[in-house]
Amino acid sequence: RKEVEQDPGPFNVPEGATVAFNCTYSNSASQSFFWYRQDCRKEPKLLMSVYSSGNEDGRFTAQLNRASQYISLLIRDSKLSDSATYLCVVNRPTGTASKLTFGTGTRLQVTL
Amino acid sequence: DAGVIQSPRHEVTEMGQEVTLRCKPISGHNSLFWYRQTMMRGLELLIYFNNNVPIDDSGMPEDRFSAKMPNASFSTLKIQPSEPRDSAVYFCASSRSGGPLYEQYFGPGTRLTVT
Repeated sequence: RKEVEQDPGPFNVPEGATVAFNCTYSNSASQSFFWYRQDCRKEPKLLMSVYSSGNEDGRFTAQLNRASQYISLLIRDSKLSDSATYLCVVNRPTGTASKLTFGTGTRLQVTL
Repeated sequence: DAGVIQSPRHEVTEMGQEVTLRCKPISGHNSLFWYRQTMMRGLELLIYFNNNVPIDDSGMPEDRFSAKMPNASFSTLKIQPSEPRDSAVYFCASSRSGGPLYEQYFGPGTRLTVT
């Protein structure tokens, strides 16, 4: 089983729609969680962190359910510019350090 | 400020040849990461350095891969000999030691094709 699992999509939605992505992680020792965004043929960039209480950044809302080991990202009022791949990322300690593990990503295509 | 710089941006080579990928992290960042991205496996951490010292190389696929960081502003990832299955995009990322680990800034990547 992969450490971080995501639905690969693609999700094709019209502009203005609300879309939600889900992610599950297998290691209960994971301590922090993030969403990264990757545009086609570009590098990943941090979108937002995910906090237990849920957090919002403009049109983006992230949620974490530690009991179910589940993370979500909600995008409201989708824009064409939101078209990208969204990577679920989990940070867990490994000995004296910690490492990020990336999901394979969920592709979003927003259309007119 | 300059971001993470990687070179070359594209590399096409024949099976058996040596390939060297280069990375210059953001000035002041103490941690450097090498990742490989493929369609099938996504983004995988190969190795990371903290203060120029390799901390975790458990992701390095095999002995054909080696990485060095001779100083705070330069790192290399070498594949010798290269094989077609090494074809992927290789990203270098850096972060500020002591800061939240998630603040990793990625370079533009090197797209490697081994024929």
